[in-house]
Amino acid sequence: EAQVTQNPRYLITVTGKKLTVTCSQNMNHEYMSWYRQDPGLGLRQIYYSMNVEVTDKGDVPEGYKVSRKEKRNFPLILESPSPNQTSLYFCASSLTRTDTQYFGPGTRLTVL
Amino acid sequence: AQSVTQLDSQVPVFEEAPVELRCNYSSSVSVYLFWYVQYPNQGLQLLLKYLSGSTLVKGINGFEAEFNKSQTSFHLRKPSVHISDTAEYFCAVIRGNQFYFGTGTSLTVIP
Repeated sequence: EAQVTQNPRYLITVTGKKLTVTCSQNMNHEYMSWYRQDPGLGLRQIYYSMNVEVTDKGDVPEGYKVSRKEKRNFPLILESPSPNQTSLYFCASSLTRTDTQYFGPGTRLTVL
Repeated sequence: AQSVTQLDSQVPVFEEAPVELRCNYSSSVSVYLFWYVQYPNQGLQLLLKYLSGSTLVKGINGFEAEFNKSQTSFHLRKPSVHISDTAEYFCAVIRGNQFYFGTGTSLTVIP
């Protein structure tokens, strides 16, 4: 089944404790993105990747890191999480940037 | 500058009535436009997109949208809504390689 998977689905952590949210797709897609969704703000792109080893900042990259060592995986790293990073996070992938984006189920992160 | 503006945050509509969800985009962005839908507690899925060609775009579930370059709009329409259309709808554009989503419109279909 074609899908985008994210783990964990729910995470509660404390300020400053490094964490990684994994994202994996099995569709051989080149374009991958991370978004955060906040009430009243819609979705905002954090980082995107055009292909392996090619990543670039989105609208709200501060406090986040990503890597794209393999085509299928695009982990999101929060080196020192803060409460303002409490949000719902979505990973998405598409064949190219103009093709249909397939979204993962989301990761709800709470930083205390 | 905001690339996408969704003018209505909430739209209530009775079942079987028509609906229009409004989206305006900044004229400075390339005209690759999308509508995505998010059902409760789910990720987003594509309804339709405009890349080029015919300005009237048909999507899934009976939705359609019209690209209007002079008004910089890409409004989403459905002639008759169903209870199952209750969801959050997002308009999006691409500027360069980056996506910009609107703040969303919550459509509630009333029985």
